Amino acid sequence: NAGVTQTPKFQVLKTGQSMTLQCAQDMNHEYMSWYRQDPGMGLRLIHYSVGAGITDQGEVPNGYNVSRSTTEDFPLRLLSAAPSQTSVYFCASTGGGSYEQYFGPGTRLTVT
Amino acid sequence: SQQGEEDPQALSIQEGENATMNCSYKTSINNLQWYRQNSGRGLVHLILIRSNEREKHSGRLRVTLDTSKKSSSLLITASRAADTASYFCATDAGWGAQKLVFGQGTRLTINP
Repeated sequence: NAGVTQTPKFQVLKTGQSMTLQCAQDMNHEYMSWYRQDPGMGLRLIHYSVGAGITDQGEVPNGYNVSRSTTEDFPLRLLSAAPSQTSVYFCASTGGGSYEQYFGPGTRLTVT
Repeated sequence: SQQGEEDPQALSIQEGENATMNCSYKTSINNLQWYRQNSGRGLVHLILIRSNEREKHSGRLRVTLDTSKKSSSLLITASRAADTASYFCATDAGWGAQKLVFGQGTRLTINP
């Protein structure tokens, strides 16, 4: 199993550009989440999903959209990138009655 | 706002010594988890303790939970250079497996 995969690993955007961060898991987990991590900080929840077709907002959802059309995929869209969105983004999944979250390797995003 | 606060923010010890990190949280929880993050990597789950447990062991890890004080501690015994990482506590804040709230982390450095 590949676990949780994320692409790209690095991305540089200009202010106002849009992009999609990809996340996929092959563990058949029902729950998937997106977090951002800023320097010296813990992770903050952006959006999460409890199953295909069901998403909800986390702590810091503004400027981001998500959708969950399949169990495997949970893309995160930046609508109009801002320098404040410079961060490392982590996707995670969990399921099967467990609380343990499995994290992807992260996407390092810089917005200039 | 983040649920957990960790103390200390940074800890540097000699190899072979024990390392203790503390976490405080604000709301009722179902469980508390500890994660490790090596530099530039995703988080890896270490251990979970349920709200009705007071202490749990896993290898060289010992976790305690005091729900009356809303605090937890992680003890790593006989530390090794490979334990150098950031350690985060995470709670479900009473919500569920899909929504974890992370502390700011303790950066642990093990000196050979």
